[in-house]
Amino acid sequence: GENVEQHPSTLSVQEGDSAVIKCTYSDSASNYFPWYKQELGKGPQLIIDIRSNVGEKKDQRIAVTLNKTAKHFSLHITETQPEDSAVYFCAASTGGFKTIFGAGTRLFVKA
Amino acid sequence: KAGVTQTPRYLIKTRGQQVTLSCSPISGHRSVSWYQQTPGQGLQFLFEYFSETQRNKGNFPGRFSGRQFSNSRSEMNVSTLELGDSALYLCASSLGLAAYEQYFGPGTRLTVT
Repeated sequence: GENVEQHPSTLSVQEGDSAVIKCTYSDSASNYFPWYKQELGKGPQLIIDIRSNVGEKKDQRIAVTLNKTAKHFSLHITETQPEDSAVYFCAASTGGFKTIFGAGTRLFVKA
Repeated sequence: KAGVTQTPRYLIKTRGQQVTLSCSPISGHRSVSWYQQTPGQGLQFLFEYFSETQRNKGNFPGRFSGRQFSNSRSEMNVSTLELGDSALYLCASSLGLAAYEQYFGPGTRLTVT
């Protein structure tokens, strides 16, 4: 079946450093790639997304890049802060329930 | 705009019992999807409701069911609970059927003993 691989599973960075999380998807029909942040005791929060006709998107300290040819997409967080500590999920979608989630990356930002 | 709300937030049930979880989507959103989240399996799609009809269903046994009301609020029911049903149950709200952006609620943490 279709799947999304996400790496690394755990990431620890020093406050102020950058963090990069990478995902690979298998379904070439995927055309929407959201990223979610899940804090302890909360549901996943949509933080940024990118569509297949765009190669890069940036929103303040976070950016996503997409390489459709290689079926890779990545989340970049710059100037990390302790409040960025959470679990991050990538997903590949063709709409609605046809959304496959990665296994998640636990990010620790050390003050 | 208020976000997705789910009630209750926590539940403890015994094997064999049944449970009903509730979800109120974002105002104006007509599609509600349910997901099960566990450490081992991650986020797994249960079903999607739109216009009071189940439109899509994941690979879960018939013990898992749901419904949607005319105001788009949705409930899911799990009958004959098993230990393996312990999970965080998430509701996701979106504007319409097969919409791309999904917004999750805080979830209901179900523990089956």
